[in-house]
Amino acid sequence: EPEVTQTPSHQVTQMGQEVILRCVPISNHLYFYWYRQILGQKVEFLVSFYNNEISEKSEIFDDQFSVERPDGSNFTLKIRSTKLEDSAMYFCASAIAGTGELFFGEGSRLTVL
Amino acid sequence: DQQVKQNSPSLSVQEGRISILNCDYTNSMFDYFLWYKKYPAEGPTFLISISSIKDKNEDGRFTVFLNKSAKHLSLHIVPSQPGDSAVYFCAASGGTYKYIFGTGTRLKVLA
Repeated sequence: EPEVTQTPSHQVTQMGQEVILRCVPISNHLYFYWYRQILGQKVEFLVSFYNNEISEKSEIFDDQFSVERPDGSNFTLKIRSTKLEDSAMYFCASAIAGTGELFFGEGSRLTVL
Repeated sequence: DQQVKQNSPSLSVQEGRISILNCDYTNSMFDYFLWYKKYPAEGPTFLISISSIKDKNEDGRFTVFLNKSAKHLSLHIVPSQPGDSAVYFCAASGGTYKYIFGTGTRLKVLA
């Protein structure tokens, strides 16, 4: 069964460093998302991406964040200068349509020290 | 801004009995709802969905009910099994690309 894959599964970084989280969405999906979950809290929407551009973003997704689909298969989330409060599980998701089921990856745990 | 609320943080049910998980929303523009199950250190797994044109959707042991006037949906699991023990999230969207998730309900099915 096709699935969304994410790398790395866990990354530890120092505050102020740049981090890139990678995702390979399901191949025939057209809509891509990043969500995050801070430990013990709810899953929060960060950004949606369609047709090579951001469709929507939340207030969390500030200038420190960026997304890219560099090669038609990968979908990346970059955090330019990490802060302690960026520590969370980051989930990539994809969907065939703009509404409908989202398929999530296993997540990338980011720990900022 | 809690547009989607799951007011019960936890629920314990005996194996074989019915589990009922509730979700309330405030935004009347929401027209598509999803339920996800999540195990620790894993991504959310899609369970079942419902659009606002329906009031019930069933898939095996899982049934979702939608009451639009009350802005309330519920997930019924029957019979509950120990493997159903997980955190359950409802999520809603309405004409946009983003889904708003509730805070989750931790279900524990006791053997």
